[in-house]
Amino acid sequence: SQQGEEDPQALSIQEGENATMNCSYKTSINNLQWYRQNSGRGLVHLILIRSNEREKHSGRLRVTLDTSKKSSSLLITASRAADTASYFCATAPSGQGGSEKLVFGKGTKLTVNP
Amino acid sequence: ETGVTQTPRHLVMGMTNKKSLKCEQHLGHNAMYWYKQSAKKPLELMFVYSLEERVENNSVPSRFSPECPNSSHLFLHLHTLQPEDSALYLCASSPTGTIPPVQFFGPGTRLTVL
Repeated sequence: SQQGEEDPQALSIQEGENATMNCSYKTSINNLQWYRQNSGRGLVHLILIRSNEREKHSGRLRVTLDTSKKSSSLLITASRAADTASYFCATAPSGQGGSEKLVFGKGTKLTVNP
Repeated sequence: ETGVTQTPRHLVMGMTNKKSLKCEQHLGHNAMYWYKQSAKKPLELMFVYSLEERVENNSVPSRFSPECPNSSHLFLHLHTLQPEDSALYLCASSPTGTIPPVQFFGPGTRLTVL
């Protein structure tokens, strides 16, 4: 399976703390993306990292990618209650020649307590 | 989420009913997707349309029938569903011919089959 697997499945922290979520995948990829989903809503794209990149930042988000270990991490710094959501990694497997298909993991449910 | 709309937002139907889910995107994209999201399962890709042509049918039962009349609209026709089909159905769109395929999601339709 090309499916990504997030770890941990659930994470509960206090406001102001950092949250780290991990994603592992099984096949070669073109890029890896992180999405966020508030309860019962659609997914929102957060950040994308290409297979030739190792680290990327966007505001309070930091994403790393280790293609040798087939893993990625998402760090949210100085968390806020509004960051409470589920976070998914999604991979675009390589060799699909322009296919639009993404493969999503099961997600990490993050709770940030005020 | 704002560029992709879905109606209805909630739907309750009996197993013998026929209903349709509607998705509309205002982003000028040429690819559209249907996903099923059940509790504690990864997001399941159901169908992909690219330039109004179905390019992916992920072994979805025939009681789900997609329709893409133009690049802005996508329907999912439902008939004789089972209780296990109760889930959040998400529509997404993306531009074609670009790598990576960042997807934009609608808010979803919460379907309950009695």
